[in-house]
Amino acid sequence: KQEVTQIPAALSVPEGENLVLNCSFTDSAIYNLQWFRQDPGKGLTSLLLIQSSQREQTSGRLNASLDKSSGRSTLYIAASQPGDSATYLCAVREASGSRLTFGEGTQLTVNP
Amino acid sequence: ETGVTQTPRHLVMGMTNKKSLKCEQHLGHNAMYWYKQSAKKPLELMFVYSLEERVENNSVPSRFSPECPNSSHLFLHLHTLQPEDSALYLCASSPGTSGFYYEQYFGPGTRLTVT
Repeated sequence: KQEVTQIPAALSVPEGENLVLNCSFTDSAIYNLQWFRQDPGKGLTSLLLIQSSQREQTSGRLNASLDKSSGRSTLYIAASQPGDSATYLCAVREASGSRLTFGEGTQLTVNP
Repeated sequence: ETGVTQTPRHLVMGMTNKKSLKCEQHLGHNAMYWYKQSAKKPLELMFVYSLEERVENNSVPSRFSPECPNSSHLFLHLHTLQPEDSALYLCASSPGTSGFYYEQYFGPGTRLTVT
């Protein structure tokens, strides 16, 4: 059974700092990995999708990397802003079907 | 706005009530999903529909009954729920369920409280 772990569970940083969120998964047979953002009480917003054949994806100040063989992904946020405060979720899509398996998320607070 | 809407946004119901959650997607997608998000737990997949046919049922209790009348609408019918069913219920859609590149787009969720 696929398990996804995110470290740290919570992170508080001052504005302007660069930061890294970590995601690990137990079964490397994945189609892709997706990073989401969730604001309190709201739905999920997709940030980046990395296919299993890719090493990284970039969107603005966000960069996600994938090391499929070691079962790890990182989300790098450059020059963090208070508006980045949210919970960041990592999810992997298994090669065997449509299932997305989620981690518990990292709750990020960026202080002005 | 992701193109996926959910109603109601908040719902409080007693254990003997019957209610329904509604999801609608305006993206022309063929697959729709129900997820449950409980406090301090990862999102759990409940049901998957592809072209109005249920393709996955993740061992969900029968007090949750999904319905997909067409590819744009998805319902979750609720009856005789338990307090532990209180959670955020999220709907998602994607172009398909198989294939390499399909992202899932999520609605804002329905916050359900069972009293």
